[in-house]
Amino acid sequence: DSGVTQTPKHLITATGQRVTLRCSPRSGDLSVYWYQQSLDQGLQFLIQYYNGEERAKGNILERFSAQQFPDLHSELNLSSLELGDSALYFCASSGTLGGGDIQYFGAGTRLSVL
Amino acid sequence: AQSVTQLDSQVPVFEEAPVELRCNYSSSVSVYLFWYVQYPNQGLQLLLKYLSGSTLVESINGFEAEFNKSQTSFHLRKPSVHISDTAEYFCAVSDWNSGYSTLTFGKGTMLLVSP
Repeated sequence: DSGVTQTPKHLITATGQRVTLRCSPRSGDLSVYWYQQSLDQGLQFLIQYYNGEERAKGNILERFSAQQFPDLHSELNLSSLELGDSALYFCASSGTLGGGDIQYFGAGTRLSVL
Repeated sequence: AQSVTQLDSQVPVFEEAPVELRCNYSSSVSVYLFWYVQYPNQGLQLLLKYLSGSTLVESINGFEAEFNKSQTSFHLRKPSVHISDTAEYFCAVSDWNSGYSTLTFGKGTMLLVSP
Protein backbone atom coordinates (compact mmCIF):
# COMPACT_ATOMS: atom_id res chain seq x y z
CA ASP A 1 0.00 0.00 0.00
CA SER A 2 1.55 3.28 -1.17
CA GLY A 3 -0.51 5.43 1.17
CA VAL A 4 -2.02 7.35 -1.76
CA THR A 5 -5.78 6.91 -2.06
CA GLN A 6 -7.72 7.48 -5.25
CA THR A 7 -11.49 7.40 -5.63
CA PRO A 8 -13.43 6.12 -7.39
CA LYS A 9 -11.66 3.05 -8.75
CA HIS A 10 -13.85 2.90 -11.81
CA LEU A 11 -15.97 5.49 -13.55
CA ILE A 12 -18.24 4.96 -16.52
CA THR A 13 -19.82 7.97 -18.13
CA ALA A 14 -21.02 9.34 -21.45
CA THR A 15 -19.51 11.76 -23.91
CA GLY A 16 -20.07 15.39 -23.05
CA GLN A 17 -20.27 14.73 -19.32
CA ARG A 18 -18.09 16.04 -16.50
CA VAL A 19 -16.41 13.95 -13.80
CA THR A 20 -14.25 14.57 -10.75
CA LEU A 21 -11.42 12.29 -9.65
CA ARG A 22 -10.19 12.54 -6.11
CA CYS A 23 -6.76 11.89 -4.61
CA SER A 24 -5.56 11.85 -1.01
CA PRO A 25 -1.76 12.00 -0.80
CA ARG A 26 0.45 10.17 1.67
CA SER A 27 0.43 11.70 5.11
CA GLY A 28 2.84 14.62 5.15
CA ASP A 29 3.38 14.82 1.39
CA LEU A 30 2.93 18.31 -0.04
CA SER A 31 3.24 17.55 -3.76
CA VAL A 32 0.51 15.93 -5.82
CA TYR A 33 0.93 14.87 -9.43
CA TRP A 34 -1.67 13.69 -11.94
CA TYR A 35 -0.89 11.33 -14.81
CA GLN A 36 -2.93 9.84 -17.62
CA GLN A 37 -2.12 6.32 -18.85
CA SER A 38 -3.49 5.16 -22.18
CA LEU A 39 -2.45 2.43 -24.61
CA ASP A 40 -1.44 4.83 -27.37
CA GLN A 41 0.14 7.64 -25.35
CA GLY A 42 1.60 5.72 -22.44
CA LEU A 43 2.04 7.56 -19.13
CA GLN A 44 1.66 11.30 -19.58
CA PHE A 45 2.25 13.88 -16.89
CA LEU A 46 -0.70 16.22 -16.58
CA ILE A 47 -0.16 18.62 -13.71
CA GLN A 48 1.56 19.11 -10.35
CA TYR A 49 0.46 20.97 -7.22
CA TYR A 50 2.61 21.81 -4.26
CA ASN A 51 1.02 22.91 -1.00
CA GLY A 52 -2.05 24.22 -2.77
CA GLU A 53 -0.32 25.97 -5.66
CA GLU A 54 0.06 24.82 -9.25
CA ARG A 55 3.77 24.22 -9.93
CA ALA A 56 4.08 22.42 -13.25
CA LYS A 57 1.90 21.67 -16.24
CA GLY A 58 2.33 18.90 -18.74
CA ASN A 59 0.09 17.67 -21.52
CA ILE A 60 -3.14 18.71 -19.86
CA LEU A 61 -6.08 19.63 -22.07
CA GLU A 62 -7.95 22.89 -21.49
CA ARG A 63 -11.06 20.80 -20.72
CA PHE A 64 -9.21 19.38 -17.72
CA SER A 65 -8.47 21.25 -14.51
CA ALA A 66 -7.20 20.39 -11.07
CA GLN A 67 -6.85 21.89 -7.64
CA GLN A 68 -5.29 21.06 -4.30
CA PHE A 69 -7.21 21.91 -1.17
CA PRO A 70 -5.94 23.15 2.23
CA ASP A 71 -6.05 19.59 3.60
CA LEU A 72 -3.75 18.68 0.63
CA HIS A 73 -6.16 16.37 -1.13
CA SER A 74 -6.49 17.03 -4.84
CA GLU A 75 -9.22 16.77 -7.43
CA LEU A 76 -8.92 16.40 -11.19
CA ASN A 77 -11.93 17.69 -13.11
CA LEU A 78 -12.55 16.42 -16.62
CA SER A 79 -15.28 18.10 -18.64
CA SER A 80 -16.87 17.80 -22.09
CA LEU A 81 -15.62 14.23 -22.11
CA GLU A 82 -14.70 12.55 -25.37
CA LEU A 83 -14.18 8.89 -26.19
CA GLY A 84 -10.44 9.50 -26.32
CA ASP A 85 -10.41 10.54 -22.67
CA SER A 86 -10.96 6.93 -21.66
CA ALA A 87 -7.81 6.02 -19.74
CA LEU A 88 -6.34 5.19 -16.38
CA TYR A 89 -5.70 8.31 -14.31
CA PHE A 90 -3.06 8.11 -11.62
CA CYS A 91 -2.32 10.41 -8.77
CA ALA A 92 1.10 10.42 -7.12
CA SER A 93 2.50 12.30 -4.16
CA SER A 94 5.93 13.22 -2.89
CA GLY A 95 7.32 15.05 0.08
CA THR A 96 8.95 18.04 -1.60
CA LEU A 97 9.62 19.62 -4.96
CA GLY A 98 12.94 17.87 -5.35
CA GLY A 99 13.76 16.26 -8.67
CA GLY A 100 15.11 13.22 -6.88
CA ASP A 101 11.98 12.74 -4.81
CA ILE A 102 10.27 9.38 -5.02
CA GLN A 103 6.73 9.70 -6.27
CA TYR A 104 4.27 7.30 -4.63
CA PHE A 105 1.39 6.27 -6.86
CA GLY A 106 -2.21 5.49 -6.09
CA ALA A 107 -3.99 2.51 -7.65
CA GLY A 108 -5.62 4.73 -10.25
CA THR A 109 -9.09 5.59 -11.49
CA ARG A 110 -10.17 3.83 -14.66
CA LEU A 111 -12.36 6.14 -16.70
CA SER A 112 -14.52 4.73 -19.48
CA VAL A 113 -16.30 7.23 -21.71
CA LEU A 114 -19.06 5.61 -23.77
CA ALA B 1 13.08 18.74 -23.17
CA GLN B 2 13.73 15.34 -21.73
CA SER B 3 12.60 12.04 -23.21
CA VAL B 4 12.87 8.35 -22.43
CA THR B 5 13.06 5.49 -24.91
CA GLN B 6 12.37 1.93 -23.90
CA LEU B 7 13.42 -0.06 -26.90
CA ASP B 8 11.38 -3.19 -26.23
CA SER B 9 7.63 -3.13 -25.71
CA GLN B 10 7.63 -6.78 -24.63
CA VAL B 11 10.32 -9.15 -23.39
CA PRO B 12 9.43 -12.83 -23.04
CA VAL B 13 11.79 -14.91 -20.94
CA PHE B 14 11.85 -18.27 -19.20
CA GLU B 15 11.95 -18.55 -15.43
CA GLU B 16 15.47 -18.48 -13.93
CA ALA B 17 16.90 -16.91 -17.10
CA PRO B 18 18.67 -13.53 -17.01
CA VAL B 19 16.94 -10.45 -18.41
CA GLU B 20 17.86 -6.94 -19.47
CA LEU B 21 15.30 -4.20 -20.06
CA ARG B 22 16.77 -1.32 -22.01
CA CYS B 23 16.28 2.36 -21.34
CA ASN B 24 17.84 5.38 -23.01
CA TYR B 25 17.15 8.98 -22.09
CA SER B 26 17.85 12.41 -23.43
CA SER B 27 18.08 15.54 -21.37
CA SER B 28 19.98 18.78 -21.51
CA VAL B 29 20.59 18.93 -17.77
CA SER B 30 21.64 16.64 -14.94
CA VAL B 31 19.06 13.96 -14.40
CA TYR B 32 17.71 11.60 -11.85
CA LEU B 33 16.70 8.18 -13.14
CA PHE B 34 14.08 5.75 -11.91
CA TRP B 35 12.63 2.34 -12.67
CA TYR B 36 9.04 1.76 -11.64
CA VAL B 37 7.11 -1.53 -11.84
CA GLN B 38 3.38 -1.91 -12.44
CA TYR B 39 1.72 -5.22 -11.57
CA PRO B 40 -1.68 -5.96 -13.14
CA ASN B 41 -4.46 -3.70 -11.86
CA GLN B 42 -2.13 -1.82 -9.57
CA GLY B 43 -0.40 1.53 -9.48
CA LEU B 44 3.30 2.05 -10.09
CA GLN B 45 5.84 1.13 -7.45
CA LEU B 46 9.40 2.37 -7.29
CA LEU B 47 11.91 -0.38 -8.06
CA LEU B 48 15.13 1.62 -7.85
CA LYS B 49 16.56 5.07 -8.46
CA TYR B 50 19.80 6.78 -9.40
CA LEU B 51 20.44 10.22 -7.95
CA SER B 52 24.23 10.46 -7.76
CA GLY B 53 27.28 8.53 -6.64
CA SER B 54 27.79 4.88 -7.60
CA THR B 55 26.53 4.22 -11.09
CA LEU B 56 25.24 0.76 -10.14
CA VAL B 57 22.06 0.75 -8.08
CA GLU B 58 20.28 -2.28 -6.69
CA SER B 59 16.79 -3.09 -5.51
CA ILE B 60 15.82 -5.38 -2.66
CA ASN B 61 14.37 -8.02 -4.99
CA GLY B 62 17.45 -8.70 -7.11
CA PHE B 63 17.14 -6.11 -9.86
CA GLU B 64 19.98 -3.74 -10.63
CA ALA B 65 20.48 -0.87 -13.05
CA GLU B 66 23.59 0.86 -14.24
CA PHE B 67 23.75 4.55 -15.10
CA ASN B 68 25.92 5.16 -18.15
CA LYS B 69 26.27 8.86 -18.81
CA SER B 70 28.24 8.55 -22.04
CA GLN B 71 25.62 6.26 -23.55
CA THR B 72 22.72 8.04 -21.80
CA SER B 73 21.38 4.68 -20.69
CA PHE B 74 19.94 3.17 -17.53
CA HIS B 75 19.32 -0.49 -18.37
CA LEU B 76 17.63 -2.77 -15.85
CA ARG B 77 18.97 -6.28 -15.27
CA LYS B 78 18.20 -9.33 -13.20
CA PRO B 79 20.39 -12.45 -13.29
CA SER B 80 17.53 -14.89 -12.65
CA VAL B 81 13.85 -13.99 -13.02
CA HIS B 82 10.82 -15.48 -11.27
CA ILE B 83 7.25 -15.92 -12.47
CA SER B 84 6.29 -13.21 -9.98
CA ASP B 85 8.45 -10.68 -11.87
CA THR B 86 5.86 -10.66 -14.66
CA ALA B 87 4.81 -7.01 -14.83
CA GLU B 88 5.25 -3.83 -16.82
CA TYR B 89 8.43 -1.89 -16.15
CA PHE B 90 8.75 1.85 -16.71
CA CYS B 91 11.93 3.85 -16.93
CA ALA B 92 11.60 7.50 -15.95
CA VAL B 93 13.76 10.60 -15.85
CA SER B 94 13.45 13.72 -13.74
CA ASP B 95 15.39 16.94 -13.72
CA TRP B 96 15.41 20.07 -11.68
CA ASN B 97 14.18 23.06 -13.61
CA SER B 98 13.11 26.43 -12.26
CA GLY B 99 12.35 25.08 -8.84
CA TYR B 100 10.16 22.15 -9.75
CA SER B 101 10.58 18.72 -11.18
CA THR B 102 8.63 16.67 -13.66
CA LEU B 103 8.85 12.93 -14.26
CA THR B 104 8.96 11.76 -17.87
CA PHE B 105 8.20 8.08 -18.46
CA GLY B 106 9.09 5.71 -21.24
CA LYS B 107 6.31 3.73 -22.89
CA GLY B 108 7.04 0.71 -20.72
CA THR B 109 8.33 -2.83 -21.26
CA MET B 110 6.13 -5.79 -20.49
CA LEU B 111 8.22 -8.57 -18.94
CA LEU B 112 6.57 -11.95 -19.49
CA VAL B 113 8.12 -14.77 -17.46
CA SER B 114 7.02 -18.29 -18.32
CA PRO B 115 7.84 -21.62 -16.65
